[in-house]
Amino acid sequence: DAKTTQPNSMESNEEEPVHLPCNHSTISGTDYIHWYRQLPSQGPEYVIHGLTSNVNNRMASLAIAEDRKSSTLILHRATLRDAAVYYCILSKAGTYKYIFGTGTRLKVLA
Amino acid sequence: EAGVVQSPRYKIIEKKQPVAFWCNPISGHNTLYWYRQNLGQGPELLIRYENEEAVDDSQLPKDRFSAERLKGVDSTLKIQPAELGDSAVYLCASSLMVSTEAFFGQGTRLTVV
Repeated sequence: DAKTTQPNSMESNEEEPVHLPCNHSTISGTDYIHWYRQLPSQGPEYVIHGLTSNVNNRMASLAIAEDRKSSTLILHRATLRDAAVYYCILSKAGTYKYIFGTGTRLKVLA
Repeated sequence: EAGVVQSPRYKIIEKKQPVAFWCNPISGHNTLYWYRQNLGQGPELLIRYENEEAVDDSQLPKDRFSAERLKGVDSTLKIQPAELGDSAVYLCASSLMVSTEAFFGQGTRLTVV
């Protein structure tokens, strides 16, 4: 299974954009890129996923490098409620197998 | 609509005692997962159900762990006997089908003393 590498922690100021990077240099052509986040004392929550093209939804944007070896989760205006651990996960198309790493702990400063 | 419901939220037991966790998935979700999350780590998959069938239990320590999903709806995860190393958060998740996003419950925090 392809693995992902994320920074252990990041900080952002409230109401500023946040760019959370993820490296996945061994990604295969059928691997989807998923992002989940886990707020304190909660289960993980789906954020966004994509294959090749950039994706937008109400929560965030996902920018995928042209060679797909890296991606960036973009929170357009961070709020205090976005403080969480963000996981970047690869999974084969049509499969369930999420292998969570340790994620990036995002701290949002007021 | 209610999300994935787990109970209890917290459980403290002595080692060698049995313990059980209960999960009620989102209505209509055929796929159900149990994960274990150790402190400071991401969740690890223990078992996946498609309806009432366990289709992947390769990561479930079968000597002490068991799970069931009666009638393809609610599920229980049991540990007997519990060991100190079983202290963790046990998460249940469900999805409409295996290729769609998973919705997680709040988890059960187990402390074995």
